[in-house]
Amino acid sequence: DAGVTQSPTHLIKTRGQHVTLRCSPISGHKSVSWYQQVLGQGPQFIFQYYEKEERGRGNFPDRFSARQFPNYSSELNVNALLLGDSALYLCASSLDPTGGLANYGYTFGSGTRLTVV
Amino acid sequence: GQQLNQSPQSMFIQEGEDVSMNCTSSSIFNTWLWYKQDPGEGPVLLIALYKAGELTSNGRLTAQFGITRKDSFLNISASIPSDVGIYFCAGGNQFYFGTGTSLTVIP
Repeated sequence: DAGVTQSPTHLIKTRGQHVTLRCSPISGHKSVSWYQQVLGQGPQFIFQYYEKEERGRGNFPDRFSARQFPNYSSELNVNALLLGDSALYLCASSLDPTGGLANYGYTFGSGTRLTVV
Repeated sequence: GQQLNQSPQSMFIQEGEDVSMNCTSSSIFNTWLWYKQDPGEGPVLLIALYKAGELTSNGRLTAQFGITRKDSFLNISASIPSDVGIYFCAGGNQFYFGTGTSLTVIP
């Protein structure tokens, strides 16, 4: 079975540009969460979507937005990129927003490495 | 966003030794999870805990959900080289992750 897939794997953007990152969850998973992981730190929660609705939002500026499509795939958009947005962006999927107590936890993708120059 | 405090920040141990690490929070959580992350990869779930006081094992790994619900512990017995990586705790439906413990195993 395919795991969580993210695209692209690597990306270089210039300050002020816009970026769109994509995530395909495991088949059957309806919840997708996005995280930002700066080098040397733990993942920071950005958004959680379930059944195409936002279920949680972390402490990130409005430049960050996301959406979930009917097939449960998701996009993370970041506008007006700053140097500090350089990070590994992780997507994780689960059966439901709680992490699915019967199938605990989330499955993470390998991430998109974004470099802003 | 909030990050959970993990200690130690890094560990260098000999192969075969046991490892202990912990995670603390100022908030109460109903769920604690432990992940391992290898370079260039996303975190992989090791153990999930759902009840205060719960002790759960997964092979050589054992984790405990603290009674206060503000902490959790992970132990690795008889470490091997493939245990190398960064270990993260996560709480609160994974909205919050720890700062990580980097483990190096010396053969």
